[in-house]
Amino acid sequence: NAGVTQTPKFRVLKTGQSMTLLCAQDMNHEYMYWYRQDPGMGLRLIHYSVGEGTTAKGEVPDGYNVSRLKKQNFLLGLESAAPSQTSVYFCASSYSGATQGPICEQYFGPGTRLTVT
Amino acid sequence: TQLLEQSPQFLSIQEGENLTVYCNSSSVFSSLQWYRQEPGEGPVLLVTVVTGGEVKKLKRLTFQFGDARKDSSLHITAAQPGDTGLYLCAGTTSGTYKYIFGTGTRLKVLA
Repeated sequence: NAGVTQTPKFRVLKTGQSMTLLCAQDMNHEYMYWYRQDPGMGLRLIHYSVGEGTTAKGEVPDGYNVSRLKKQNFLLGLESAAPSQTSVYFCASSYSGATQGPICEQYFGPGTRLTVT
Repeated sequence: TQLLEQSPQFLSIQEGENLTVYCNSSSVFSSLQWYRQEPGEGPVLLVTVVTGGEVKKLKRLTFQFGDARKDSSLHITAAQPGDTGLYLCAGTTSGTYKYIFGTGTRLKVLA
């Protein structure tokens, strides 16, 4: 049981390049989230998904796209990377979202450190 | 936009000291979680509080949710070097699937 895994762990991009970050979970969780973490700003939600085939925008969605074609995978894409997207990206999953019954724990991956030059 | 402000932002203390971290907002939350994050890893859930005035204890850690559900505190008794890390609060409001994270408190406990 690997929990939540993220690929790659580190990446350096030049401005304008594109890339996809992969998140995979083996806990059969319905809900998945992508966050970015910057110094002094905590975690900010980029996009999230409440189930296979569905996605929704979070607080800071501009410049990012996501897809949830399979329940266990949640992909985050950067079509044209900018230096402002230099950050640590975390994926998380939970059994149910905040609206359903007791609040559930989010399980986080180890993060992807992205630098855009 | 809902905001969760944490204070202090940084804290460096000696082993054995007590400390309190605060998480404040002008918004009302239906629940609030506390996470700890170690370098190079993702956050790990410590506790969830859901009732105004609720107090939960986890060994040397005591968590309190404010009566009005706008604020929370984390108190650590007799801190140990193993408590070192980034502490994050996260709030949810009913009717949403989203968690709003606080700005974080970076704690260092010196042996």
